[in-house]
Amino acid sequence: KQEVTQIPAALSVPEGENLVLNCSFTDSAIYNLQWFRQDPGKGLTSLLLIQSSQREQTSGRLNASLDKSSGRSTLYIAASQPGDSATYLCAVPYNAGNMLTFGGGTRLMVKP
Amino acid sequence: SAVISQKPSRDICQRGTSLTIQCQVDSQVTMMFWYRQQPGQSLTLIATANQGSEATYESGFVIDKFPISRPNLTFSTLTVSNMSPEDSSIYLCSVHGTSGGGDTQYFGPGTRLTVL
Repeated sequence: KQEVTQIPAALSVPEGENLVLNCSFTDSAIYNLQWFRQDPGKGLTSLLLIQSSQREQTSGRLNASLDKSSGRSTLYIAASQPGDSATYLCAVPYNAGNMLTFGGGTRLMVKP
Repeated sequence: SAVISQKPSRDICQRGTSLTIQCQVDSQVTMMFWYRQQPGQSLTLIATANQGSEATYESGFVIDKFPISRPNLTFSTLTVSNMSPEDSSIYLCSVHGTSGGGDTQYFGPGTRLTVL
């Protein structure tokens, strides 16, 4: 059974810092890995999708990397802003289907 | 991309009652998924809803408690039956799609349920 873990569970940083969020998974036979953002009480917004054949994806100040062999992914946020404050979730598909297994999330607070 | 709407956005319900949550997608999709997010927790898949067949439930979830309808390719409902305070959660529906040549998931805004 696939298990997804995110570290740290919570993170508080001053504005402007570069930061790294970590995601690990137990079964390396994944099709892809996705990073989502969730604002309090809201649904999920997809940030980045990395296919199993890719090493990284970039979108603006966000960069996600994937190392299948070690079962790890990182989300790098450059020059953090208060608007980045949210919960960040990573997820991988399971059972060869489209259902997702989610990590526990990292709650990020960026202070002005 | 897919745009998903859910109704209601939130509700406060009494113990023992039932609530039906609606999910509408702006395009036809084969599979729709229902997730639950308990307070302070991550998302857990409840079931997969295919049009024209019974929903497939994950371990720990049963049809009597969470009946699902899927009358067409753009709509689904999830009912939370005989509610208790432990059912207080955000319920989200999602669909599979493609973006940038790869698979992705699109999520609705969620329904925040509080059971008193």
